[in-house]
Amino acid sequence: DAGVIQSPRHEVTEMGQEVTLRCKPISGHNSLFWYRQTMMRGLELLIYFNNNVPIDDSGMPEDRFSAKMPNASFSTLKIQPSEPRDSAVYFCASSFEVRNTIYFGEGSWLTVV
Amino acid sequence: KQEVTQIPAALSVPEGENLVLNCSFTDSAIYNLQWFRQDPGKGLTSLLLIQSSQREQTSGRLNASLDKSSGRSTLYIAASQPGDSATYLCAVRANQAGTALIFGKGTTLSVSS
Repeated sequence: DAGVIQSPRHEVTEMGQEVTLRCKPISGHNSLFWYRQTMMRGLELLIYFNNNVPIDDSGMPEDRFSAKMPNASFSTLKIQPSEPRDSAVYFCASSFEVRNTIYFGEGSWLTVV
Repeated sequence: KQEVTQIPAALSVPEGENLVLNCSFTDSAIYNLQWFRQDPGKGLTSLLLIQSSQREQTSGRLNASLDKSSGRSTLYIAASQPGDSATYLCAVRANQAGTALIFGKGTTLSVSS
């Protein structure tokens, strides 16, 4: 079985540019999570979806961040405009129901210069 | 607000040693607790999931215990090997519907041969 698939794996962009990160969850999973990892703050939950519906977006840092899940097999996390402090590893994860074992993708390494 | 703490932040041991990694959480009303492993440049891999009604879980050389009332969990690694070198993260899920995992910052383990 394919795991959680994220793209791009690495992105370097200039401040002010739009960044779109993509995620394909494991087939059959109905919960999808976006996390951000930095050295200073560790892993922080940004937003999660259950059955394609956003349940908790309280971790989204500001209006520059937005996430969508148009169907059960695809989600995007968009940053517009990007800033250097957004540089981090962004992980997508999925599970069958919110409370079961969660499976992570390999992450998208974002550098904003 | 739930906070998860892992001590120590880093640990170095010679091959063959048995070791214990610690995790504490501030709110004992948890649904479950999960231990993950993260290799450099990679995503997180789930190791063990302990439900709130359980006291421990075992997988191979790994044993995780949970003391919910005191807000503590330990991950015991027997006969450590260089391949165990990684960052180990603990995460808890609150005992409320629709809540996602809250992570500690991890313990980085180095096992020398």
